[in-house]
Amino acid sequence: RKEVEQDPGPFNVPEGATVAFNCTYSNSASQSFFWYRQDCRKEPKLLMSVYSSGNEDGRFTAQLNRASQYISLLIRDSKLSDSATYLCVVNLSGGYNKLIFGAGTRLAVHP
Amino acid sequence: GAGVSQSPSNKVTEKGKDVELRCDPISGHTALYWYRQSLGQGLEFLIYFQGNSAPDKSGLPSDRFSAERTGGSVSTLTIQRTQQEDSAVYLCASKGPAGGDYNEQFFGPGTRLTVL
Repeated sequence: RKEVEQDPGPFNVPEGATVAFNCTYSNSASQSFFWYRQDCRKEPKLLMSVYSSGNEDGRFTAQLNRASQYISLLIRDSKLSDSATYLCVVNLSGGYNKLIFGAGTRLAVHP
Repeated sequence: GAGVSQSPSNKVTEKGKDVELRCDPISGHTALYWYRQSLGQGLEFLIYFQGNSAPDKSGLPSDRFSAERTGGSVSTLTIQRTQQEDSAVYLCASKGPAGGDYNEQFFGPGTRLTVL
């Protein structure tokens, strides 16, 4: 079983749609969680961290369920510029600082 | 300030040759990581340097791969006797001083390696 699993997609949605991505992780000792965004042929960039209480940044909402070892990302009012691959990332127990990346979920927003 | 830089941006080599990939992290960042990403795949962890501690080499796929970090700054990833399956984008990332698990890793633009 992969340490971090994501639906590869692609998710093809119209502008303005709401789309949700899910991610599961296998190591219960995981301590911190992130969503990174990667544009085609570019390096990954941090989109947002995922906190236990859930957090929101504009149109983006991230949630964490430690009991189910599950992370989600919700994008509201999708824009064409949201088209990218979204990487779910997990950091093992504190201080270890080794990020485990999921293979990513591809999103394509069309007019 | 300047971000993470990597060189070369593209490298084409023949099977069996050695290659060296360079990473210049953000100044002051104590942690440095190497990953590789094959076409359409996720990032695969290779090696991690943290300050003066012994590096975590657990992700290196074979003994043909090695990396060093000189003076706690620049890092070089060396692949000896390259094979076609080594073709991938090699990404370097750096991270600021210890300050919690939520410090962001900043990635360089990568080196696209093609082994013919």
